[in-house]
Amino acid sequence: GAGVSQSPSNKVTEKGKDVELRCDPISGHTALYWYRQRLGQGLEFLIYFQGNSAPDKSGLPSDRFSAERTGESVSTLTIQRTQQEDSAVYLCASSFYLDSEGGYTFGSGTRLTVV
Amino acid sequence: AQTVTQSQPEMSVQEAETVTLSCTYDTSESDYYLFWYKQPPSRQMILVIRQEAYKQQNATENRFSVNFQKAAKSFSLKISDSQLGDAAMYFCAYVEGTYKYIFGTGTRLKVLA
Repeated sequence: GAGVSQSPSNKVTEKGKDVELRCDPISGHTALYWYRQRLGQGLEFLIYFQGNSAPDKSGLPSDRFSAERTGESVSTLTIQRTQQEDSAVYLCASSFYLDSEGGYTFGSGTRLTVV
Repeated sequence: AQTVTQSQPEMSVQEAETVTLSCTYDTSESDYYLFWYKQPPSRQMILVIRQEAYKQQNATENRFSVNFQKAAKSFSLKISDSQLGDAAMYFCAYVEGTYKYIFGTGTRLKVLA
């Protein structure tokens, strides 16, 4: 697609429920990133995918968080048993491989609210 | 560990005036990249300008320019002839050799008509 697409745009969920967030990167971008942005704070790295290589999951805050990506296509970020501290904007970005210096292209994010 | 600090949570500027947003960072590397991203209410992060550390010349993109002081580890953004559409959150970011960006906490810029 022309840009990075994320869905849903907003999600309100009850504490304890599972949620799935979706990211559709720019066609041809082999690298995909998930970041979390809490209110009033900067972006925290969560996970990085590059092609079929093993992802870098070092930023995932707990084992309730997981993400998948098949090849160079769509990625889903899953949060199990959501907690109120999971409330944040989850941003996805993509880039060409070895072109992180050129800057990411971001989606518009999913605002997750856990009530 | 690398860190990025934006010490101004909020700034205001009159339309058509100039404003400078500050950013400092900490690294022991000599080769890296620095960025300024703009985040309007739409939430999408938009790349404003990038600077390669090994280039001494300050990057410029139309009304946006940077003052890169490598020895001082400072990377400020200057916005000239400010426009209402410049109102947004601005984030400074750093990356070296890898893919993992380190972001500052952001500066909210208000443009006054």
